[in-house]
Amino acid sequence: AQKITQTQPGMFVQEKEAVTLDCTYDTSDPSYGLFWYKQPSSGEMIFLIYQGSYDQQNATEGRYSLNFQKARKSANLVISASQLGDSAMYFCAMREGFGSGNTGKLIFGQGTTLQVKP
Amino acid sequence: SQTIHQWPATLVQPVGSPLSLECTVEGTSNPNLYWYRQAAGRGLQLLFYSVGIGQISSEVPQNLSASRPQDRQFILSSKKLLLSDSGFYLCAWSRGSTSGEQYFGPGTRLTVT
Repeated sequence: AQKITQTQPGMFVQEKEAVTLDCTYDTSDPSYGLFWYKQPSSGEMIFLIYQGSYDQQNATEGRYSLNFQKARKSANLVISASQLGDSAMYFCAMREGFGSGNTGKLIFGQGTTLQVKP
Repeated sequence: SQTIHQWPATLVQPVGSPLSLECTVEGTSNPNLYWYRQAAGRGLQLLFYSVGIGQISSEVPQNLSASRPQDRQFILSSKKLLLSDSGFYLCAWSRGSTSGEQYFGPGTRLTVT
């Protein structure tokens, strides 16, 4: 069965430093997608970055990058140059399969709370 | 651009009362739609999803139901609320034929007393 595991309930990082949030997944489907979302205290889920299982290169979006290690089934999020506004809860999620007709269901991890210290 | 709306933002309801939460999407057609529930400090639990009008799939048997009366409208309902229905309810949409990232609404905080 598909599963997402985030082993870090909470993390601290100093402002302007980089931080890595861990995510491991389990699936038997060769086609899948991995996502990271940010949830600030307001509650809204904000999409950050996507990695497809067949993508050859690690995804990057501004200060966010995804360290995709397929053999290890890990998809860690790296935030560079942390800012105070990065303090939030971060969720890793996975979708099995893609393309037309796919339901697009996501399975979420339990999340990691990141606090950026000034 | 696409936007997603949810209302109400907060709701306090007594046990046994009915519930209706509404979600609408603008700026896209034939989206996949989803309802999630999040307990405090926890991850998201998928409740229902819909790939088209009148097509509802339930992920977790429970006290809730969902309907999709129009292409961009998704409604979460209950006839009689339980204390365990308290939580943060999030609606999301995605394009069915792409990578599948979901975009979330602002959420509804429901407290059942």
